[in-house]
Amino acid sequence: DGGITQSPKYLFRKEGQNVTLSCEQNLNHDAMYWYRQDPGQGLRLIYYSQIVNDFQKGDIAEGYSVSREKKESFPLTVTSAQKNPTAFYLCASRSTGENTEAFFGQGTRLTVV
Amino acid sequence: AQSVTQPDIHITVSEGASLELRCNYSYGATPYLFWYVQSPGQGLQLLLKYFSGDTLVQGIKGFEAEFKRSQSSFNLRKPSVHWSDAAEYFCAVGLHNNNDMRFGAGTRLTVKP
Repeated sequence: DGGITQSPKYLFRKEGQNVTLSCEQNLNHDAMYWYRQDPGQGLRLIYYSQIVNDFQKGDIAEGYSVSREKKESFPLTVTSAQKNPTAFYLCASRSTGENTEAFFGQGTRLTVV
Repeated sequence: AQSVTQPDIHITVSEGASLELRCNYSYGATPYLFWYVQSPGQGLQLLLKYFSGDTLVQGIKGFEAEFKRSQSSFNLRKPSVHWSDAAEYFCAVGLHNNNDMRFGAGTRLTVKP
């Protein structure tokens, strides 16, 4: 089945450690996105990528990094510079053609203790 | 910059009652418009989308939305709400020829028996 897979579903890390969240899609989509979700704030865009080896910062990129070495994969690293990393992280992908919608993974809940 | 506003943070309706969730966007041209639904701890599922043409669009689960250019609105409606509709609903905008997508803060729907 085609879709987007985020792993792991739950992730716990100690403060000060970097952590990488995985996002893989087999939908052959060019564009991929990372959003952060906090209660009452909706989805805020962290980074997005329209093509392999290229990505752009979203509204809250500070403390995060991404790579896009393969079309299928768009991992997100939450670095120790992110002041409040505990949140629900959602990955999405979308075809870059006209009239297309984004498809979402099931999310990763990151808790930093 | 484009923005999406969902004025209602939380709405409670009785089962069987009608529902309208509001969404306003700010953008100079007509964007792509979407409504997504999210169950707790899950990813987002597309309910419906508007790209062009007929301003009243039908979606899954009996939902519909109407695009009103003069009001910059894209409100979601359902004639009769079911208990299983309880979830969080997000309005989103995407730009033509651009892969940036932005979401509203969400409206949490509670359904009373």
